[in-house]
Amino acid sequence: NAGVTQTPKFQVLKTGQSMTLQCAQDMNHEYMSWYRQDPGMGLRLIHYSVGAGITDQGEVPNGYNVSRSTTEDFPLRLLSAAPSQTSVYFCASSQPDSSGANVLTFGAGSRLTVL
Amino acid sequence: GENVEQHPSTLSVQEGDSAVIKCTYSDSASNYFPWYKQELGKGPQLIIDIRSNVGEKKDQRIAVTLNKTAKHFSLHITETQPEDSAVYFCAASTSGTYKYIFGTGTRLKVLA
Repeated sequence: NAGVTQTPKFQVLKTGQSMTLQCAQDMNHEYMSWYRQDPGMGLRLIHYSVGAGITDQGEVPNGYNVSRSTTEDFPLRLLSAAPSQTSVYFCASSQPDSSGANVLTFGAGSRLTVL
Repeated sequence: GENVEQHPSTLSVQEGDSAVIKCTYSDSASNYFPWYKQELGKGPQLIIDIRSNVGEKKDQRIAVTLNKTAKHFSLHITETQPEDSAVYFCAASTSGTYKYIFGTGTRLKVLA
């Protein structure tokens, strides 16, 4: 099992450019999510999905779009990159257990720099 | 809004000593409290978790305690080793929802 695979690992963009961060999981998890990690701020939820065709906003959704056409894939789109979006992005998947608790499995991260 | 406060932000201990990281949460509905370890260049990985119906849980050198009344939970690492050096995140979550609030992280350095 590969778990959660993110691509690319590193990306440099110019302000105004667009790009998509890819995320794929092979564990048949229902839930997938995107977090950004900034120094001193922990992990903040951008968008999440509880199943194919269903997405919702997290704590910091502005400037990002997502879609979930399959169980396996959950891409994160930046339509017009801004320097404030310079961060490390983590994709996570999870399957609630019998008590409803979510144990997150994270990808290795994608480091994005916007100049 | 709801938040999770985590202390300290950095912690240095001698190899073999114990390390304690503390978190406080604000949302009374939280009932699941995981701890994640993040090594350099990698994604966070679950190391231990505790549910609200339990006061303490141990797994070898790692233990977590929960005080629901005070809304505190703590990670205890005994007999620390250099490979314990990493960033540790606490989180509070509510079962049945996707609500997951992370602390700001603690960078633990174990000095050989």
